[in-house]
Amino acid sequence: DTGVSQDPRHKITKRGQNVTFRCDPISEHNRLYWYRQTLGQGPEFLTYFQNEAQLEKSRLLSDRFSAERPKGSFSTLEIQRTEQGDSAMYLCASSLAVGSGYTFGSGTRLTVV
Amino acid sequence: TQLLEQSPQFLSIQEGENLTVYCNSSSVFSSLQWYRQEPGEGPVLLVTVVTGGEVKKLKRLTFQFGDARKDSSLHITAAQPGDTGLYLCAGPSSEAGSYQLTFGKGTKLSVIP
Repeated sequence: DTGVSQDPRHKITKRGQNVTFRCDPISEHNRLYWYRQTLGQGPEFLTYFQNEAQLEKSRLLSDRFSAERPKGSFSTLEIQRTEQGDSAMYLCASSLAVGSGYTFGSGTRLTVV
Repeated sequence: TQLLEQSPQFLSIQEGENLTVYCNSSSVFSSLQWYRQEPGEGPVLLVTVVTGGEVKKLKRLTFQFGDARKDSSLHITAAQPGDTGLYLCAGPSSEAGSYQLTFGKGTKLSVIP
C-alpha cells in the first residue's frame, strides 16, 4: 500500500475559478477526512466520510465547498468561485476506526491569485 | 469548544540537547495524538495516548498523558537534526456524533547541528 495520495500537489488559480482536488485513501480505510491548514495554524476540520456517506461537515464550511466520495474509495473536494482566503494546504487523511490515528496525504497547496 | 494550546510556539536548540513541549486544555480528552509535520508534507502520526497518567516511549521520544486527561507532554532526549519539524497534538471532539480531531497550533522545533 502506498499510503494516502493527493493530486495535484500544487494548484495556482485565479480568483473566481473553480478547483477540484482528489484524494486516494489507504484501500482498507473506510473513513476519510478533509482538513485545511494555513500558515502557523494546525489543521482545521472540513468534512468526514464513512464509506460513501458524508457524515459530518464543519459549520464553518462555506457553501462554495463540496466534497464527494462516490464509491467509498477516492474522494474529491471542489471549491467554487475561489477567493484569496481559500489559499491554504488542503489535507486528506484516512483511518481504519474511530479513535485510531490518521494517515495523512502530502496535501494540495492552493494559491489563489 | 475544545481548544488545545501548545507551548512553546517556537523552539531552537543545539543538537544533543533535551527538550519538552506541552499540549494543554481546559477540557478532558478521551485520548490525545501527537504528529510531526515537515514543511510541504502532511502530518505523520507518532503516538496515541489513551489512559490518564500513561507514558509511552518511542526511541528518544517520551510522551505523557496527564492524570486528568487534560494535558500531554513530549520530551525528546539528545535531539538530532532529523527531529526538526512541527509537532502537533490533536484530540477527538467530545461532541456527540462528531468524528473530527481538534489540533493545536503546534510547536515548531529546529535542531541545529
